[in-house]
Amino acid sequence: EVVVTQSPATLSVSPGERATLSCRASQSVSNKLAWYQQKPGQAPRIIIYDASTRATGIPASFSGSGSGTEFTLTISSLQSEDFAVYYCQQYNNWPRTFGQGTKVEIK
Amino acid sequence: EVQLVESGGGLVQPGGSLRLSCAGSGFAFSRSWMTWVRQSPGKGLEWVATVKEDGSEKYYVDSVKGRFTISRDNDKNSLNLQMNSLRAEDTAVYHCARNSGAYVIWGQGTMVTISS
Repeated sequence: EVVVTQSPATLSVSPGERATLSCRASQSVSNKLAWYQQKPGQAPRIIIYDASTRATGIPASFSGSGSGTEFTLTISSLQSEDFAVYYCQQYNNWPRTFGQGTKVEIK
Repeated sequence: EVQLVESGGGLVQPGGSLRLSCAGSGFAFSRSWMTWVRQSPGKGLEWVATVKEDGSEKYYVDSVKGRFTISRDNDKNSLNLQMNSLRAEDTAVYHCARNSGAYVIWGQGTMVTISS
């Protein structure tokens, strides 16, 4: 099983600042890595797929990078609506696995 | 409007059974791989099961193998999850999702509680 580890668990950021979230896979997943955003009481929403492709309707302030085992989600300038929990997930191997999540909170 | 709507959740005793359903609309359901993902209260996301477009391939997380069965009815745009021998650790919100590699569309979920 591919273990996916996210860091940090919690990220405290001021509005307008940059946030950088990390995701590491225990073995190579090529570029088959997605990022999801989840707000309280809501279903997850896809942000990035194939490691660096923004999903439909996602603003350019979100960017993804990486391949193999190391991945990064960057939010260039945090808006109020961006404070949420972010999960990464690999879909290169069975079973599909998620990271434990990074909570981005207001500093 | 592209939409997934789950139903069938509820309170069940340990050892019991439950059948979840997911109705898809606004997209080519019969040409989409479909998935169930669950989230225990206050916890993260866990992939549960995936089925290929025509139902010919099915994949499960180890913890549900032999207890859960994923199926689909493309004529009705419906995805199902038959859950047997339920355990307390199966308590979660169950979301269905449309695959395109990643999970591009999610339903709001249905709550399953396993308790005596």
